[in-house]
Amino acid sequence: AQSVTQPDIHITVSEGASLELRCNYSYGATPYLFWYVQSPGQGLQLLLKYFSGDTLVQGIKGFEAEFKRSQSSFNLRKPSVHWSDAAEYFCAVGMYSGGGADGLTFGKGTHLIIQP
Amino acid sequence: DVKVTQSSRYLVKRTGEKVFLECVQDMDHENMFWYRQDPGLGLRLIYFSYDVKMKEKGDIPEGYSVSREKKERFSLILESASTNQTSMYLCASSPISGEGTEAFFGQGTRLTVV
Repeated sequence: AQSVTQPDIHITVSEGASLELRCNYSYGATPYLFWYVQSPGQGLQLLLKYFSGDTLVQGIKGFEAEFKRSQSSFNLRKPSVHWSDAAEYFCAVGMYSGGGADGLTFGKGTHLIIQP
Repeated sequence: DVKVTQSSRYLVKRTGEKVFLECVQDMDHENMFWYRQDPGLGLRLIYFSYDVKMKEKGDIPEGYSVSREKKERFSLILESASTNQTSMYLCASSPISGEGTEAFFGQGTRLTVV
């Protein structure tokens, strides 16, 4: 069974500083990887996704993520954070069996706090 | 834009009540999902459906059932609500499985069982 580990429960970053959120996955086949963001009291919004091709993926709001197969990682980065980036971030792996419905397996999330 | 709408943002129900959480999507997606979100546990899949009247158990189906009578609507049912079902519930939909399919989420329903 697939699994996702986000080792950091909370991260505090100063506004304007760079950010890296870690994500490691366990999956027996080629993974389909996602990063979602959740603002307080809201649903999840997709930041970016990786299916194949270039291992550096660009997303919305200035985020990017790099897929490293050798490390089973898909870390999220942003060069300069803004106060509005404070939110919960979820990494997820998708299982696609070629037919039927497939759900995403999520990590437990990383809560990002931005210091002024 | 894809829109997934959950009928209630907040619900308060009594122990033992039968509770219905409704979800509607407007993008003709085949797949629909119900997740439960709890602090420190992330999102856990309760049930999913890949077609009308079809359903599959997810990781934590106990105490829940689902109904999908129309393609756009997916309902989560708590047969007899209990306090340990107090949680945030998120509905999602996605196109049929394949490359590029991502899940689109509703805004969530925060359910409190007293």
